[in-house]
Amino acid sequence: DVKVTQSSRYLVKRTGEKVFLECVQDMDHENMFWYRQDPGLGLRLIYFSYDVKMKEKGDIPEGYSVSREKKERFSLILESASTNQTSMYLCASSLGRGFEKLFFGSGTQLSVL
Amino acid sequence: AQSVTQLDSQVPVFEEAPVELRCNYSSSVSVYLFWYVQYPNQGLQLLLKYLSGSTLVESINGFEAEFNKSQTSFHLRKPSVHISDTAEYFCAVRLPHDYKLSFGAGTTVTVRA
Repeated sequence: DVKVTQSSRYLVKRTGEKVFLECVQDMDHENMFWYRQDPGLGLRLIYFSYDVKMKEKGDIPEGYSVSREKKERFSLILESASTNQTSMYLCASSLGRGFEKLFFGSGTQLSVL
Repeated sequence: AQSVTQLDSQVPVFEEAPVELRCNYSSSVSVYLFWYVQYPNQGLQLLLKYLSGSTLVESINGFEAEFNKSQTSFHLRKPSVHISDTAEYFCAVRLPHDYKLSFGAGTTVTVRA
């Protein structure tokens, strides 16, 4: 089975801190995604990467950046965390050009105080 | 741009009763449709998908969904639910050859004995 691992289940940070959320997948997938999940809003795409060092902005990239130095690892960076970035963050990966099935990690609940 | 509306945010249901989760989408072109399920404290998992062909698609655990082009709907049904079906269900849509999944806000199903 594909495993997508997010480094932290819960994270508490202060306003203005730089925050790193890490995601690792073990199935050699080309594509990796970062979503945020908020009640009543569903999932919204922050960034997408289709190859090492390649990235595309999703629907809500403001306030975020990403890094993909290795195929298996995709990091989400909050340069200066704000309270409106308190959310559940989900990482996902998929194989090839079909994008037909995403495999999700179990999420990181980030609280910014 | 395509969008997804899930008409019910919460659906309480008794064990062994049927359930229907409604999903409508808007798009000016053909789309692919998906249902994902999120069990408590887990990431999302693909439940079923419609890409083309038969408009009725089934999952391995008894759910089915029917694509209705004229009504732009993709409702999810199960004739008899179990306690273990308690979860949040997300409808999603994407354009062929695109990587972006657009998710609905989700429907929480709570199955009671």
